[in-house]
Amino acid sequence: AQSVTQPDIHITVSEGASLELRCNYSYGATPYLFWYVQSPGQGLQLLLKYFSGDTLVQGIKGFEAEFKRSQSSFNLRKPSVHWSDAAEYFCAVANQAGTALIFGKGTTLSVSS
Amino acid sequence: ETGVTQSPTHLIKTRGQQVTLRCSSQSGHNTVSWYQQALGQGPQFIFQYYREEENGRGNFPPRFSGLQFPNYSSELNVNALELDDSALYLCASSLAGLPLHFGNGTRLTVT
Repeated sequence: AQSVTQPDIHITVSEGASLELRCNYSYGATPYLFWYVQSPGQGLQLLLKYFSGDTLVQGIKGFEAEFKRSQSSFNLRKPSVHWSDAAEYFCAVANQAGTALIFGKGTTLSVSS
Repeated sequence: ETGVTQSPTHLIKTRGQQVTLRCSSQSGHNTVSWYQQALGQGPQFIFQYYREEENGRGNFPPRFSGLQFPNYSSELNVNALELDDSALYLCASSLAGLPLHFGNGTRLTVT
């Protein structure tokens, strides 16, 4: 069965510093992968997705993610973090039928000044 | 373009009661999915509706049921509420698959 692991529960980054959030997935075939962000009391906003092709994916708000099949990873990166990036970040993989997303438990990002 | 809207935003119910949550899909989207997000957890898939039929279901008991209407809006019904049903319920819509576009959710508290 598919699964997603986000090893870091909570990360604190200084404003202006770079960011990398880790995501590992378990899936036999080529996965459909996603990163979502959730601000307090809000729903989930799609940051970026990977279906196929170029393994470096650009998203909104300056985020990017790299799909590495050999490491079963899909890490999210941002070169310079802003205070408004503080939120909960979820990595997800689509199930085999393509009807549902399987989410990790999330990583909480705090940004210090 | 109107996004996914959910109502109500907050709800308090008593154990054993029944609840109905509502969702209007994003304009042009024909598929609606429901997720349960417990505090401190990632969302968990409840079920998906496509063309008014259930098109996939997660590991939730039958007391969780749903409907999709001809205008693609949807309802989630939960019978015999339990304390563990307290969660944020998220509706998401899509055009026949992925990616999903989520609403802001309904916060359900069961006392």
